[in-house]
Amino acid sequence: GAGVSQTPSNKVTEKGKYVELRCDPISGHTALYWYRQSLGQGPEFLIYFQGTGAADDSGLPNDRFFAVRPEGSVSTLKIQRTERGDSAVYLCASSLWAGVGTQYFGPGTRLLVL
Amino acid sequence: KQEVTQIPAALSVPEGENLVLNCSFTDSAIYNLQWFRQDPGKGLTSLLLIQSSQREQTSGRLNASLDKSSGRSTLYIAASQPGDSATYLCAVFAGGTSYGKLTFGQGTILTVHP
Repeated sequence: GAGVSQTPSNKVTEKGKYVELRCDPISGHTALYWYRQSLGQGPEFLIYFQGTGAADDSGLPNDRFFAVRPEGSVSTLKIQRTERGDSAVYLCASSLWAGVGTQYFGPGTRLLVL
Repeated sequence: KQEVTQIPAALSVPEGENLVLNCSFTDSAIYNLQWFRQDPGKGLTSLLLIQSSQREQTSGRLNASLDKSSGRSTLYIAASQPGDSATYLCAVFAGGTSYGKLTFGQGTILTVHP
């Protein structure tokens, strides 16, 4: 079946602009995770959802970052007033339930803030 | 706070060699440990998942071991091939207050040359 998909695959924006990154999890997966990966580093946790609710948002760096999952499927990561330091690959993953089994990752969205 | 370290940062070997990648973690209270592979510009592919009660897992030419008490894991790749060239990441799932999120190492960049 289809894996985790993310759109767009690449996003170039200017400093100060607003961006939205979308994640479509594997059908039937109730848990969804967002990570951020800077060049040469491993992914860092941002937030995860169990169903529609954000169960842990402790990794969001500041209040410019926000994520939603209104119907328990697709999720959108929203970044306001983007800064050059936000440039990274944003990875989404899903699993059947939080903490159960493997997290399956999407290909990521490469964000470049000029 | 859980910290995961991978050694070496990069490794270049000729085709056919057996090799070992190392991963260490600071907090031994983990539920499981996963090894992932990441190809350039791509998402993460899960290779092996070891539960905290297990000592090792094998898949084809890959064997991962876990020594939870000492906070170490190794990924052994037998008879390496050029197609094994990628970045290898280990990640721990801790549960408790960290429930739902993976903590990653920075990765080992592997190059297998013909």
